[in-house]
Amino acid sequence: DIQMTQSPASLSASLEEIVTITCQASQDIGNWLAWYQQKPGKSPQLLIHSATSLADGIPSRFSGSRSGTQYSLKISRLQVEDTGIYYCLQRYSNPWTFGGGTKLELK
Amino acid sequence: QVQLKESGPGLVQPSETLSLTCTVSGFSLTSYNVHWVRQPPGKGLEWMGVMWSGGSTDYNSALKSRLSISRDTSKNQVFLKMNSLQSEDTTTYYCARANWEAPFDYWGQGVMVTVSS
Repeated sequence: DIQMTQSPASLSASLEEIVTITCQASQDIGNWLAWYQQKPGKSPQLLIHSATSLADGIPSRFSGSRSGTQYSLKISRLQVEDTGIYYCLQRYSNPWTFGGGTKLELK
Repeated sequence: QVQLKESGPGLVQPSETLSLTCTVSGFSLTSYNVHWVRQPPGKGLEWMGVMWSGGSTDYNSALKSRLSISRDTSKNQVFLKMNSLQSEDTTTYYCARANWEAPFDYWGQGVMVTVSS
């Protein structure tokens, strides 16, 4: 199975700050990487697919990038509504696997 | 609009079989794949398996011996059956839509299942 190591596990940041979350894949997964945001008691929401493509309706302050087998989600100017838990997902091979999650809070 | 809704029992006895239904609207099961994902309370997400648009299935190898996914396209429903339930199967189960471009662009609201006697 492909392991997705997500860091940090938790993060506290201030409004308007730049936030970066990373996922390290245990092997090459190409661009088969997506990012999700989950708020308490809610289903996850797709933010980024294909490593760098913004999902429909997602604000442009969210962006995704790739460097080899390391993937990053960047929030350019943190807003109140951006708090929650973020997950990466690889769908390069079965079983599809998620990162362990990053809990993002406001400082 | 696109909707997915899970339904099923909230409580299952240990060693028994869980049966869940995902009823979809706003899209065709023959055009989109429907996956099942679960999440234990306070923990992360686990991919369980998929009903591909063509009618075939794939399963997480960790669950494969206990899991079965099927569908009824005439009713716009995808079914999950998992046997030999144990306490660690106490979790929220989600169904979610995917295609080649966008994985899990729409999710159901989830159904919480507790395994307990």
